[in-house]
Amino acid sequence: QKEVEQNSGPLSVPEGAIASLNCTYSDRVSQSFFWYRQYSGKSPELIMSIYSNGDKEDGRFTAQLNKASQYVSLLIRDSQPSDSATYLCAVRTRFGAGTRLTVKP
Amino acid sequence: SQTIHQWPATLVQPVGSPLSLECTVEGTSNPNLYWYRQAAGRGLQLLFYSVGIGQISSEVPQNLSASRPQDRQFILSSKKLLLSDSGFYLCAWSKHTGNYGYTFGSGTRLTVV
Repeated sequence: QKEVEQNSGPLSVPEGAIASLNCTYSDRVSQSFFWYRQYSGKSPELIMSIYSNGDKEDGRFTAQLNKASQYVSLLIRDSQPSDSATYLCAVRTRFGAGTRLTVKP
Repeated sequence: SQTIHQWPATLVQPVGSPLSLECTVEGTSNPNLYWYRQAAGRGLQLLFYSVGIGQISSEVPQNLSASRPQDRQFILSSKKLLLSDSGFYLCAWSKHTGNYGYTFGSGTRLTVV
């Protein structure tokens, strides 16, 4: 079992829709969870961090954490074409392979 | 504000040649420093991390090594490159205390030929 698993996608949503990205992890003692956005050919950029169960909202982004289910998700509301990128889930130092999101105008 | 510099941006090296990639951080002291590698279409693999000068932890035992000669300088090296060393190398830093995410450098795209 991989330490951090994500659906590789690609995930395609129309502009203005909600994009939902999911991630599961195997390390039960992890306390810190992150989402990074990586545009093609660029380095990852931290967009969300979450440490406790529940939801954390920042602008159009909402991170959700369920430690009992070992599940982290990222919701992007009112998706824009500029959100088209690969989204990486990270649990402490471990990264998932990423989900490629395409937002179609 | 803090900035992280990584160079070179691209590198094409023959098999068997040495490698030296450098990363420096400005605007902070005693950062945690990391080297990751990303193969094409894949996630990030942690290679080395450092919590202080001269303190290096290795995640992947292979022909790569890392050094931290100064507080804000992190160097990735190899004596002899393999084809399998090709990839996108990323340096990152985080605050020394607490659980914080990373700030990545712009990366080095290495192609071993």
